[in-house]
Amino acid sequence: DGGITQSPKYLFRKEGQNVTLSCEQNLNHDAMYWYRQDPGQGLRLIYYSQIVNDFQKGDIAEGYSVSREKKESFPLTVTSAQKNPTAFYLCASSKGSREYQETQYFGPGTRLLVL
Amino acid sequence: EDQVTQSPEALRLQEGESSSLNCSYTVSGLRGLFWYRQDPGKGPEFLFTLYSAGEEKEKERLKATLTKKESFLHITAPKPEDSATYLCAVRGFSGTYKYIFGTGTRLKVLA
Repeated sequence: DGGITQSPKYLFRKEGQNVTLSCEQNLNHDAMYWYRQDPGQGLRLIYYSQIVNDFQKGDIAEGYSVSREKKESFPLTVTSAQKNPTAFYLCASSKGSREYQETQYFGPGTRLLVL
Repeated sequence: EDQVTQSPEALRLQEGESSSLNCSYTVSGLRGLFWYRQDPGKGPEFLFTLYSAGEEKEKERLKATLTKKESFLHITAPKPEDSATYLCAVRGFSGTYKYIFGTGTRLKVLA
C-alpha cells in the first residue's frame, strides 16, 4: 500500500530541546514538503524539497531544519530556536513540481506539544 | 499578493440538504486549485485538482467547479459521514512551489 507515514503521532518537547519528526513516503515522489497547521490559520509551508540533497525555505523556516538524503525520507527538526512550536505538523509529497505533477498528498500528521 | 478565502467558516446541514462551499482566490495566474477533506486530528485527504475555468470534477456526492475567481464544492444529499473540514488551496505561476491554503469550511451534517 503506497502512502506517507509520519512518526510519532504525538511528540512532547522540553524547553531547550531539539526534536525530530519523521516523514517517509513509498510513492516514488520526487518532491516533499513540511507544513505547520495552527487553529484558525491555513497551512503554512516550512520547507520543501524538489529533489534529493536539495531543499528550500518556505514562509516560516526560522527555528526549523531539514535534510533530504534519501528520496523516501524528509525529516524535520524543530530546534530550541523555535519559540512557539506547539502545532500540528504535516508532511506531504508530490510526483514533481511541474504542471500536472504537483498535486500534494499528505501524511497523518504529528502533534507537537511543549512540556 | 496571492490569497485564498473560504466561506462560510462553518456550515450545519441536515442529512440530505444540498449546499455549496465557496473558495475565492487571487493569484497571479492560476496553475492549479486543490480541494482536500480533513477529519479532526488527521492529515488532509486529496479530493480534486482543477486547472482551468469551466472545469468540473465529481466524486460520489461531491462536485467541484472552477471559474476565474472562485471555486465551489457542491455537496449533494450529504450524509453524516461527510462531516469534516474542507480545505481549498491554489498554486500560481509566480515561480515558487508553494500552495496558498484557505482556513477551511467546517461542515457538520446532522442525521
